[in-house]
Amino acid sequence: KAGVTQTPRYLIKTRGQQVTLSCSPISGHRSVSWYQQTPGQGLQFLFEYFSETQRNKGNFPGRFSGRQFSNSRSEMNVSTLELGDSALYLCASSPTGTKTYNEQFFGPGTRLTVL
Amino acid sequence: KNEVEQSPQNLTAQEGEFITINCSYSVGISALHWLQQHPGGGIVSLFMLSSGKKKHGRLIATINIQEKHSSLHITASHPRDSAVYICAATSRNTDKLIFGTGTRLQVFP
Repeated sequence: KAGVTQTPRYLIKTRGQQVTLSCSPISGHRSVSWYQQTPGQGLQFLFEYFSETQRNKGNFPGRFSGRQFSNSRSEMNVSTLELGDSALYLCASSPTGTKTYNEQFFGPGTRLTVL
Repeated sequence: KNEVEQSPQNLTAQEGEFITINCSYSVGISALHWLQQHPGGGIVSLFMLSSGKKKHGRLIATINIQEKHSSLHITASHPRDSAVYICAATSRNTDKLIFGTGTRLQVFP
């Protein structure tokens, strides 16, 4: 089976712009989670989608949003970019289930730089 | 204080040494995860456990629920084990993954 894929892998934006990142989960996985990794804060949970519904959300401002499509692919959007949004954004998928403590399969990440 | 604490932050070893990384948590958990991150960013899930002990090749993970503590052991370490090892806990209350700050391991030949 193909692994989790994320596009694009690298992105450079300027402050005030918006960005959309894409994640394709492993075939058959219906849960997709997004994480932000920065040198200062480490890894932090952004949100989780299951069957097109946001099931859980981390402590991030409303500028961070996401959605999931019927084929389980997910996108996250960050509007009005700030310098502090520069980070590695990781997506992870997990097998079907009603709980999120399934094993997470991570994608390679999208490295976003905000200038 | 972080809800998930790891130690040590940095670890240097000679090839062949036995390595232990520790993780303590202060929240109720559904599961404890050990992750490996190589330079470049990719993360691999090594273990997910909620009790006892799991083994995969040279890697062993243990968890003590009463003491809220988990350890990751690497036997016969090798330079290819050099990576950042991250402990993460799934909170029983929120179902969210809470991450430790990671342990940077360097194994020299």
